[in-house]
Amino acid sequence: GQNIDQPTEMTATEGAIVQINCTYQTSGFNGLFWYQQHAGEAPTFLSYNVLDGLEEKGRFSSFLSRSKGYSYLLLKELQMKDSASYLCAVREDNAGNMLTFGGGTRLMVKP
Amino acid sequence: DADVTQTPRNRITKTGKRIMLECSQTKGHDRMYWYRQDPGLGLRLIYYSFDVKDINKGEISDGYSVSRQAQAKFSLSLESAIPNQTALYFCATTGGGTEAFFGQGTRLTVV
Repeated sequence: GQNIDQPTEMTATEGAIVQINCTYQTSGFNGLFWYQQHAGEAPTFLSYNVLDGLEEKGRFSSFLSRSKGYSYLLLKELQMKDSASYLCAVREDNAGNMLTFGGGTRLMVKP
Repeated sequence: DADVTQTPRNRITKTGKRIMLECSQTKGHDRMYWYRQDPGLGLRLIYYSFDVKDINKGEISDGYSVSRQAQAKFSLSLESAIPNQTALYFCATTGGGTEAFFGQGTRLTVV
C-alpha cells in the first residue's frame, strides 16, 4: 500500500508562480504522475517523473526526489484557467503498475 | 470520438436498484480501471482488469462488481445501490506506458 499527501487547497494570484507539493510512501515505486482536473471533468495528464530531477513542459514543471519520497508541480505565469484540482498519483510495479491517487490540491487563481 | 466513452453520463436511481455503468475504449489497451471520486477527494480505485480474463479488487470494491466483456469494454455494476454510493465514477485505461486515459465520468445519484 501507499500513502500520498498533498495540500487540500491553495490560492495564488494571476501571473504568479505556485508550487504544489506531494509526498508519498510506497514500495516498488515506478513513476509519479500529475493530473489536472477541472470541476466535474475528467483528469488530464500533465507530467510524468520516474527519475530524480526536473521535467519542464511549457509553463508547468514537475520535480521528483525518490530518496525523499517527494515531488512538486510548479506552475508559472498563472492564468485564471489554471484554477483546477491537481492530482498527484504514484505507480507501483508490485501492484500491477496501477495508479494510486492522492486527495488532490484545489488551486484557486485570483485576479 | 473520445478514446474512452462512459455511459450514461448522468443517472439518478433509487436505493436498492441495480445499476450498470458502461465503459468502452478505442485505444486498444489491455488495462482498464474503475475509480470513484467524492467531492473534494481524489480518485479511489474500485476494480481493475489487466485483460479479459483478469479481474482484481481495488481499495473500495464492496458493493460493486465488474465485467470485462471484451478488451475494449469494462462495466461496473452496483448490485443494490445505496445513497453513499452517490459519486462521480471514472473509467480509465492504460497500455502499460506512461499515461492513463480517462472517460468523461458518470455522475451517479442514489436517492
